[in-house]
Amino acid sequence: QVQLVESGGGVVQPGGSLRLSCAASGFTVSTCGMHWVRQALGKGLEWVAFIRYDGNNKYYADSVKGRFTISRDNSKNTLYLQMNSLRDEDTAVYYCATRHRSGWYLFDSWGQGTLVTVSS
Amino acid sequence: EIVLTQSPATLSLSPGERATLSCGASQSVSSSYLAWYQQKPGLAPRLLIYNISNRATGIPDRFSGSGSGTDFTLTISRLEPEDFAVYYCQHYGTSPPTFGGGTKVEIK
Repeated sequence: QVQLVESGGGVVQPGGSLRLSCAASGFTVSTCGMHWVRQALGKGLEWVAFIRYDGNNKYYADSVKGRFTISRDNSKNTLYLQMNSLRDEDTAVYYCATRHRSGWYLFDSWGQGTLVTVSS
Repeated sequence: EIVLTQSPATLSLSPGERATLSCGASQSVSSSYLAWYQQKPGLAPRLLIYNISNRATGIPDRFSGSGSGTDFTLTISRLEPEDFAVYYCQHYGTSPPTFGGGTKVEIK
């Protein structure tokens, strides 16, 4: 049974950094493409980043390109999102999700989310 | 980037009624790469429908999807109490994938 558990959220000042983690169980992250998707409170969903199963190809939304980095540690079976130069508009619940077999950008299993608040 | 517009924003219905949700795309969605998700308060979204009309694992058959090109529909044939939630459409054929703004199905 696939399970994803995010952690690392919190309150950070504008310009600061934070690293989110997504611990996976029930499957191996090195065999599955994975995503980060965010949702501002009371708002809609926004795709953030994708890492392919091989770990060599990473893709980002324009809104985070150059500031966020997606990565993973196969030995820990964990996905990460390093967030630098944070802005007010990055405030959101961040979800990790697995890629569905029917599409790179189709989201299958989701974690419960972790809240990031960027505020001075 | 493909912009998805959902309507109505809110749908007020009673249990047992039929729900029809619409999703319009700013350009044709390639290769039928259109999905629907359900989200309940405080929970992550759940995949309902992919490739316009394929139900995801474990999704009951009262949920169905249809459409083509730029116009898509999610139908819930008979609303159950657990179906009252927010529904999002999403295209996933190209990067960036985008979501519609959502339709809230609320109890009348």
